[in-house]
Formats: sequence, C-alpha cells, structure tokens
Amino acid sequence: GAVVSQHPSRVICKSGTSVKIECRSLDFQATTMFWYRQFPKQSLMLMATSNEGSKATYEQGVEKDKFLINHASLTLSTLTVTSAHPEDSSFYICSASDRGDEQYFGPGTRLTVT
Amino acid sequence: GEDVEQSLFLSVREGDSSVINCTYTDSSSTYLYWYKQEPGAGLQLLTYIFSNMDMKQDQRLTVLLNKKDKHLSLRIADTQTGDSAIYFCAESHPTGTASKLTFGTGTRLQVTL
Repeated sequence: GAVVSQHPSRVICKSGTSVKIECRSLDFQATTMFWYRQFPKQSLMLMATSNEGSKATYEQGVEKDKFLINHASLTLSTLTVTSAHPEDSSFYICSASDRGDEQYFGPGTRLTVT
Repeated sequence: GEDVEQSLFLSVREGDSSVINCTYTDSSSTYLYWYKQEPGAGLQLLTYIFSNMDMKQDQRLTVLLNKKDKHLSLRIADTQTGDSAIYFCAESHPTGTASKLTFGTGTRLQVTL
C-alpha cells in the first residue's frame, strides 16, 4: 500500500517551454501533497505544500508564477514549470500524505532543460 | 530556524556496523525519520522515531535519539553492499493537515568488500 507514482520519470525540454509533472497516489487519498527539488549531490528542498482543492503554499524563495501547482483531486497533483530555463534542471520529487505524519514519496522526475 | 546537518560520507567494510549521525536544531520536532535514496531514485522510508523516545530497533536498524543534544543516529548492523546509498535524516513539524519535513544534507554510505 501507499504507492505514489510520478510521470514522466525523465523529461528533456527546450528553454522557454513549459513542462508538466504529475504526481499520483495510487491506493490512498492524499489530502496533502508536497513538491521537492533536489540538485545533484544535495538534499531535498521543499518547494510547496498543496492541499486538495486549495491554493498551494510556497516556501520562501520559490516563484509561484514559475512553478504552478494544481491539486484538483485527492489522488493527483501537478507541477508545471513554466518558461523553463537550464537552471531549472533538477530532480523533482513529490510526496503525498493522508492526514498522518508520514509522507510517501514518488520515484522522482529528472528534468533537463536544454 | 530549522537546520539539519549530517556528515557527507561514510565508508565501511561489508559485515561491519555503520553509524550515520544527524544533528538538528528545532526542539519542536514530532517525529524524526531516516530515508534511503539510491542513485536516480526517490526516497525509501527506513525507520522513524517519535520525539519522546530514545531508542528504536527494527531488524538491522537501530535509531538512537538524544533529545537534549538534538542528536539522532542510525546504526546499520552487518552492513551489506546493497546498503550503499545516500541516507537522509528528516525532522517533521505539524502544519495543519499534514507535517512538513526538513531534510538533512545526506550521508553517502559506501560499503566495500
């Protein structure tokens, strides 16, 4: 139980384009989903927290207009990187929580912007 | 503020015990976690400890928590080559409906033959 998937696992896009990453909880309802980014050989940094049906809460320094988060259902959240630039290349990981303290992590999406 | 520190690298021989250390600054943490990350993959929860406990054992894993010193450790007994990975400690803080995690800097464990 408690499986979280992400799609795509890898994506390459051109500078200036937008890319959408999906995060799904497969066997539970996720009232809260979290989005992290991880640069090579670094830790996970929380970008934003999203609760189903409400606006996401962004961490300090994360541009909400650049990283659009939608959590329209209890099993799906999407992160859209708008007008991507090479410095947005990173490993993006989502996690989902069903009201408890535990977060269940997705396998991550590697974004490369050329 | 929240700050979680770990040593960057640890090398052990197969069969020996590994001890990975973590220090944190926020005394209001409710749970403390250990995660394992293999190359190019997401995070796998290994174990966790509630902040009012001082020890938890789960098969080869032993977690020790010194709340006074804000020090957490993970001991892996009989370390195997499959244990080679990056290990992250994380502390949780309740925020409304779910808890927010702050991750440590990660420790790369290398297991040699």
